[in-house]
Amino acid sequence: EVLLLESGGGLVQPGGSLKLSCAASGFTFTNSAMNWVRQAPGKGLEWVLGISASGAATHYAGSVKGRFTISRDNSKNILYLQMDNLRADDTAVYFCAKARSGDLNLWGQGTLVTVSS
Amino acid sequence: DIQMTQSPSTLSASVGDRVTITCRASQSITSWLAWYQQKPGVAPNLLIYRTSNLESGVPSRFSGSASGTEFTLTISSLQPDDFATYYCQQYSSFPYTFGQGTKLEIK
Repeated sequence: EVLLLESGGGLVQPGGSLKLSCAASGFTFTNSAMNWVRQAPGKGLEWVLGISASGAATHYAGSVKGRFTISRDNSKNILYLQMDNLRADDTAVYFCAKARSGDLNLWGQGTLVTVSS
Repeated sequence: DIQMTQSPSTLSASVGDRVTITCRASQSITSWLAWYQQKPGVAPNLLIYRTSNLESGVPSRFSGSASGTEFTLTISSLQPDDFATYYCQQYSSFPYTFGQGTKLEIK
């Protein structure tokens, strides 16, 4: 089965850190660019980070640059999102998504990150 | 960054209606535009890629088109399952950006 499964979400205090994982199965992960997209409660979709299939190239939205890091382990078929210096406005459901040519044709179910004291 | 302006934000329609949602890009994105459908509590689902290509398994009542930097999603005859929120996304250049979304409601 073709699947993306996020984990690692939870409650964190402002200024804290959290690391999300996205386990991929059922497709050739090493050939696929991957992305993180988030959705604040009741709000629209926001693309936040992308990484090339090899991991050599990464891209960031301005809202997270310098605080969030995307990486991948192609030997384990896992995508990561390291989130540092978290703020209240980072509260959202975080989805990992597989890119084809940039269109996102496979999504995980999402994991909720809540930043609050 | 490329801004995607989507309209309307809310659309009320009835089963069987033909509806159109529009997305305008702030600069040229050629044909690098996708449309997604999202229902409450679940991840978005890709409907159309590269402006007008229907994703596998998506009903043929969905179609996409473009004129310059204005892109359109059309649902030819609304079905009960179509009431959801729709988003456009440009992938011409990073950072990728989404439109604000259109909530399609039952009239």
